Amino acid sequence: DSGVTQTPKHLITATGQRVTLRCSPRSGDLSVYWYQQSLDQGLQFLIQYYNGEERAKGNILERFSAQQFPDLHSELNLSSLELGDSALYFCASSPRQAVYTEAFFGQGTRLTVV
Amino acid sequence: AQTVTQSQPEMSVQEAETVTLSCTYDTSESDYYLFWYKQPPSRQMILVIRQEAYKQQNATENRFSVNFQKAAKSFSLKISDSQLGDAAMYFCAYRSAYGNTPLVFGKGTRLSVIA
Repeated sequence: DSGVTQTPKHLITATGQRVTLRCSPRSGDLSVYWYQQSLDQGLQFLIQYYNGEERAKGNILERFSAQQFPDLHSELNLSSLELGDSALYFCASSPRQAVYTEAFFGQGTRLTVV
Repeated sequence: AQTVTQSQPEMSVQEAETVTLSCTYDTSESDYYLFWYKQPPSRQMILVIRQEAYKQQNATENRFSVNFQKAAKSFSLKISDSQLGDAAMYFCAYRSAYGNTPLVFGKGTRLSVIA
């Protein structure tokens, strides 16, 4: 168990809809990262938040947005969903200090758009 | 921007044998971290091994070891005494040591273990 919790584990929705994915980082971790993994592909970085503020942006579509709340949990909002948005969405967290250098991943949310 | 390349989409190994997965990366930074993550069918991302760029000694974790060649920007993973449970996708990843930055991943290598 990495300590990173993602909900829901699975989500099935229709095209055009909007969904919200939730992530609770490890206790004390200030950074949250969102990644998208399409079928049998690598992990594409979407966005990073650090202590409530956006820190870095990757290949995130304009239809997608995210935020990090004061309690450090994060939400990824996906709107106007298309079939191609079907993927596994990972959240990861890392601590402020560089004691641990890796990121810790949640189990992912599998999104299926039908 | 940093990039990570895994040139072997698929590899296979006989049980109990040794296999090496390749990874190269491109960066202009001098200090960084490199990782190998394993993704079994459960899709969980599991850290296998990490290497700090400032350390010349190659990292080792039980049956897993790396060959880190900083000048060549190469970071290969060697799995010894392969087991059926090693079958998974393996991702090489790069992280800058400057600031709290995201990991950059390669496209992965799918490893099959043959009994």
